[in-house]
Amino acid sequence: AQSVTQLGSHVSVSEGALVLLRCNYSSSVPPYLFWYVQYPNQGLQLLLKYTTGATLVKGINGFEAEFKKSETSFHLTKPSAHMSDAAEYFCAVSDVTGTASKLTFGTGTRLQVTL
Amino acid sequence: NAGVMQNPRHLVRRRGQEARLRCSPMKGHSHVYWYRQLPEEGLKFMVYLQKENIIDESGMPKERFSAEFPKEGPSILRIQQVVRGDSAAYFCASSPRPGLTEAFFGQGTRLTVV
Repeated sequence: AQSVTQLGSHVSVSEGALVLLRCNYSSSVPPYLFWYVQYPNQGLQLLLKYTTGATLVKGINGFEAEFKKSETSFHLTKPSAHMSDAAEYFCAVSDVTGTASKLTFGTGTRLQVTL
Repeated sequence: NAGVMQNPRHLVRRRGQEARLRCSPMKGHSHVYWYRQLPEEGLKFMVYLQKENIIDESGMPKERFSAEFPKEGPSILRIQQVVRGDSAAYFCASSPRPGLTEAFFGQGTRLTVV
């Protein structure tokens, strides 16, 4: 069974500061890993994903994440926070069989950006 | 190419009524997935469908919930005799091939049971 743990349900940073949202996963098979963002009353938007290849993945809006197998982590970072980054962020994992129909989501981290 | 379209965006039902949630996948996508998001929780998988087939319904409650994806028209998630605990956001995703690496999510339907 797969699982995702997002440490910190709420994270607050100042505008211009580094954003670090933590995600650890558990999977019995090589995982595919995803980060989604959800703005208030909106659906999920894919930020980035790791499937194979380079472990540092760049996504939209200046976000990136690094897959670290030894640490079973896939933390999301952005060098400089912007007010528009305030949203809820979900980490998710699926198995790599190619026909995976399920994403297992973490419980989310709400990012607040202050002036 | 329009995204995944869900309607209605907001739905209010009284206890005991039926709720019908619709999902039109992106053009060219024949795989549809339904997820439920309870307040303050992450999304939970419910069901995976291809045209006219249910592939995986392991996340569906055993009673009152059903889903279909007919040959023509949108996918429908039906909840019969709704209860307060069904209040949640229901999201649909679609992909052109099996698997979620190329899936796109809709904006969701927020169901409120009063």
